[in-house]
Amino acid sequence: QVQLVQSGAEVKKPGASVKVSCKASGYTFASYDIHWVRQATGQGLEWMGWMNPNSGDTGYAQKFQGRVTMTGNTSINTAYIELNSLRSEDTAVYYCARSDFATLLDYWGQGTLVTVSS
Amino acid sequence: DIQMTQSPSSLSASVGDRVTITCRASHSISNFLNWYQHKPGKAPKVLIYAASSLQSGVPSRFSGSGSGTDFTLTISSLQPEDFATYYCHQSYSIPWAFGQGTKVEIK
Repeated sequence: QVQLVQSGAEVKKPGASVKVSCKASGYTFASYDIHWVRQATGQGLEWMGWMNPNSGDTGYAQKFQGRVTMTGNTSINTAYIELNSLRSEDTAVYYCARSDFATLLDYWGQGTLVTVSS
Repeated sequence: DIQMTQSPSSLSASVGDRVTITCRASHSISNFLNWYQHKPGKAPKVLIYAASSLQSGVPSRFSGSGSGTDFTLTISSLQPEDFATYYCHQSYSIPWAFGQGTKVEIK
């Protein structure tokens, strides 16, 4: 069965960086894009960007351009998101999700809480 | 960029009620519209894809309709497990975008 398992919660200080992992199993990792979505406390879902594990191609929401990097390692079936220059507004649950033929997000990770606090 | 606007932002309903949530896109997105259910502490779950196709395993009380810019999610008879937040999502063009969500609460 398809599973996406994310790394554990993180606490970071403002200005620091965080890297969250998303390990895929149950399907051919290189064949499906991975998207990242976040939800700040009390807010809705926010699309951050996508990554193709096979080509390494990426696309980021304008809001995160220059501050986010999405990568993948096909040898260990794992996707990563790194967010730099963290601020308190980045406190959120970050989700990875598989894109089914670039039309919908059919499987999601369990979410990773990133807390940014001094 | 395409903006997605949902209404209402919240609603109160009773078990057995028929519930309708609407979603409007700022530009035509054909049928590239999906609906997700999100419960606290859980990952979002896709209910409807391509505007009107029911995802495998999702109860038939959920249905979707629309194309172009106006879309609807309907729950024909609300069940206790349906109290959650619902999001529409456009996958027509990058950047993808979600609606702001509709919280369905118990009356």
